[in-house]
Amino acid sequence: EVQLVESGGGLVQPGRSMKLSCAASGFTFSNYGMAWVRQAPTKGLEWVATISYDGSSTYYRDSVKGRFTISRDNAKSTLYLQMNSLRSEDTATYYCTREMGSAYWGQGVMVTVSS
Amino acid sequence: DIQMTQSPASLSASPEEIVTITCQASQDIGNWLAWYQQKPGKSPQLLIYSATSLADGIPSRFSGSRSGTQYSLKISRLQVEDTGIYYCLQRYSNPFTFGSGTKLEIK
Repeated sequence: EVQLVESGGGLVQPGRSMKLSCAASGFTFSNYGMAWVRQAPTKGLEWVATISYDGSSTYYRDSVKGRFTISRDNAKSTLYLQMNSLRSEDTATYYCTREMGSAYWGQGVMVTVSS
Repeated sequence: DIQMTQSPASLSASPEEIVTITCQASQDIGNWLAWYQQKPGKSPQLLIYSATSLADGIPSRFSGSRSGTQYSLKISRLQVEDTGIYYCLQRYSNPFTFGSGTKLEIK
């Protein structure tokens, strides 16, 4: 059974950093691209970043470019999202997903950026 | 960037009725279109992939279609458990974009 479990969320002050993790199991992690999607409270879904199966290619939405870094450790079957210079508008539930458009999503982790 | 214009924003229908939700892509995305259902506090659930293919475990009363750059999700014989918010997603090119969502209420 495919499982994606996010961790690392919480309350953080504006301008500070936070790192999210997504532990994958039930499939060969190194064969798949992965992505982060977020959802602000009461808002819709928003793609954040994508990484290729081997980590060689990464893509970001404009609003997080230069602040967020998506990465992966295939030996540990874990996806990461390093978030720097956090802003109030980054407040959201962050989901990891196995490739955009797939059936496999984590349960989500809440990130609140507030002083 | 590809825009996905989703309509309606909300709708209310009775059990056993048929409803249709549409997404209009701002340019050709081929069949790189998926539909999701999301319930409060839950992760999105895949309903349709590649515009018309039914995801595993999804009832056959859900169906997807395409006409040019317009994509539709049809739900036949509505059930109470179909309440939720429905989103389309284009995964043709970065940045991937979701529709704004359709909130479905069952009367």
